[in-house]
Amino acid sequence: DAGVTQSPTHLIKTRGQQVTLRCSPKSGHDTVSWYQQALGQGPQFIFQYYEEEERQRGNFPDRFSGHQFPNYSSELNVNALLLGDSALYLCASSLSFGVTDTQYFGPGTRLTVL
Amino acid sequence: GDSVTQMEGPVTLSEEAFLTINCTYTATGYPSLFWYVQYPGEGLQLLLKATKADDKGSNKGFEATYRKETTSFHLEKGSVQVSDSAVYFCALPPLYGGSQGNLIFGKGTKLSVKP
Repeated sequence: DAGVTQSPTHLIKTRGQQVTLRCSPKSGHDTVSWYQQALGQGPQFIFQYYEEEERQRGNFPDRFSGHQFPNYSSELNVNALLLGDSALYLCASSLSFGVTDTQYFGPGTRLTVL
Repeated sequence: GDSVTQMEGPVTLSEEAFLTINCTYTATGYPSLFWYVQYPGEGLQLLLKATKADDKGSNKGFEATYRKETTSFHLEKGSVQVSDSAVYFCALPPLYGGSQGNLIFGKGTKLSVKP
């Protein structure tokens, strides 16, 4: 049973560029959430997707956008990168939206903005 | 709003020592409570969870009891090993439109176990 997978593993960008991160949820899961984890901090919720729509959003600017595909995989896009966007980006999947359920995390994508 | 407060680290213990990592929460209603672990260079793994008051979650020798009276979910292990060295996060899902959604995490507690 494949767990949550993310790509790429590492990424280096410069300020002002745009980046796309990808996530495939655990088999059977239809809800995907994205988190940003700055160095030495706990993960911060960015947004959650279910049925190809953004259902919940944390306190992140519109530069952060996402998408969910019919196969439940998801993308996180960040435009106009800032130095402060450097972080580990974690994707998590769960069985269904709105139900108390465990979120399973991928290994993350380490983004460095120079 | 809902929040999680963890004891600050780092925590350094010798192998076979007893571990307690404190976690208290503020929440609307009675959400599920989670402990996640992050090993160096990796993502988060679910360690244990409890879904209602007085429930005890356990896994790999770790335990935590959901205490409604003290709004706490402290993590304990009777005898730690070097392989337990990691960062531990307490988390809860706040209510959103009547349902539990995304997770709010504590800042994490780094545990180092020395041989």
